Amino acid sequence: AQSVTQLDSHVSVSEGTPVLLRCNYSSSYSPSLFWYVQHPNKGLQLLLKYTSAATLVKGINGFEAEFKKSETSFHLTKPSAHMSDAAEYFCVVSDRDSGAGSYQLTFGKGTKLSVIP
Amino acid sequence: EPEVTQTPSHQVTQMGQEVILRCVPISNHLYFYWYRQILGQKVEFLVSFYNNEISEKSEIFDDQFSVERPDGSNFTLKIRSTKLEDSAMYFCASSDLTQGITYEQYFGPGTRLTVT
Repeated sequence: AQSVTQLDSHVSVSEGTPVLLRCNYSSSYSPSLFWYVQHPNKGLQLLLKYTSAATLVKGINGFEAEFKKSETSFHLTKPSAHMSDAAEYFCVVSDRDSGAGSYQLTFGKGTKLSVIP
Repeated sequence: EPEVTQTPSHQVTQMGQEVILRCVPISNHLYFYWYRQILGQKVEFLVSFYNNEISEKSEIFDDQFSVERPDGSNFTLKIRSTKLEDSAMYFCASSDLTQGITYEQYFGPGTRLTVT
C-alpha cells in the first residue's frame, strides 16, 4: 500500500524568501512521485514528477524536488517565493508496478502556501 | 495546449436524484480516472478506466457509481441516487501510455457537486 504524509498543513513565507514544503512517502514498489498545485477555484496542475531518472527534479515556475530514497522524502523547494505561488500543494505517489496497468494516485492532505508581501 | 474539460462546473441536486458528471479527456490519452475531494479532505481515487472497462476502483466506488465512455470523446461518472455525503469536488483525469508505462495524469478543473 502507498501513502503520503505532508508534514505541514500551512506554510507562510515572505516574498523573495525560500520555500520548503515537506513530503514523506511510503510505497511497496518503485514509486513515481509528483507535486501538483491547486490555485483557488482551479484544477490540479502538475508541477514536477520523479519517475526513477535523476533524483533532483526540476519543474515549472522555478520549483525543484529531490527524491531521497533513504529518507523516503520528496520535499519541494523554490529559492525565492513569488506572490503568485500562493496556492495549495499536493504531494502524490503512484506505485509504478501496480500490475493493473493504470496508476492510481495517492494524494497527501495538501500544504497551503501563503506568501506575505 | 490540450486540456481536460469538465461540465458542469457546479451541480446542485437533491438527495436521491441521479447525476451525471461529464469529462472530455485529452484526445490521444488512453487511461481515464475519476477522483473526488470532499471539502477539507484529501483528494481520493475513485476509479480508472481503460479499453472500455474499469481497471481499478476504490472502496468508495460502490454500486451507486458507474462510469461510461459513451462515444470517442466523453467520459462520464454517474451517481444513481445521491447522498449528502456525495457532496464534493469531482476531478476527471487522463493519461497517456508511453512505452508500456502510463505517465502523469492531467486533471480537469473539477465539478463541484452539492447534494441538498
